[in-house]
Amino acid sequence: QTVVTQEPSLTVSPGGTVTLTCASSSGAVTSALFPNWLQLRPGQPPRTLIYSTTYKLSWTPARFSGSLLGGRAALILSGVQPEDEADYYCLLFHGGAWVFGGGTKLTVL
Amino acid sequence: QEQLQQWGPSLVKPLETLSLTCVFNGGSFRNYYWNWFRQPPERGLEWIGEVTHAGRANFNPSLQSRVTISVDASKSQVSLTLTSVTAADTALYYCARGRPRVRGIDYWGQGTLVTVSS
Repeated sequence: QTVVTQEPSLTVSPGGTVTLTCASSSGAVTSALFPNWLQLRPGQPPRTLIYSTTYKLSWTPARFSGSLLGGRAALILSGVQPEDEADYYCLLFHGGAWVFGGGTKLTVL
Repeated sequence: QEQLQQWGPSLVKPLETLSLTCVFNGGSFRNYYWNWFRQPPERGLEWIGEVTHAGRANFNPSLQSRVTISVDASKSQVSLTLTSVTAADTALYYCARGRPRVRGIDYWGQGTLVTVSS
């Protein structure tokens, strides 16, 4: 069973840049795993920000971007805003099944 | 405006069957994957399974023996049933649309909190 690992928590200052990563116990994360990044705020359903490694949805703010970095999927936030404080989950498509990371709690302070 | 609306009972008794339904409005139902996810209280998200508009399904191995996901393409609806529920199945349940080929999860339902309790 593949385990997907994310940083449990990160803190960033408003206006700063932060990188969240997503690693797989099965090896390097590649575009073939179709990484998705979701934002989860209390009381709201998940909101997908990035899919298939780098693609944005119409509602994704420009300050969010996705990439592959050192064998991991990465979500980069540039010019962080207070409203970006949330939980972020990566999602990988392994062997015909979606597997979630444990989530990263991002604090903007 | 494309959106998913879901409904179903908020309370299910132990060992009974949980049933939820989701309807997609404002766009095509065909050629997409239709997923169910859940998030237990104070825990992370978990994928339950997916189905195509034609009814071809794929499940989380840990839930496969208890899960059925079905579609009614004529109504743009997808349904989830989970049998023999226990307290561990208490969670916020979400339906979501998946794009084919690029495997992007885009639209999400509003969520349904289901509590398993007698």
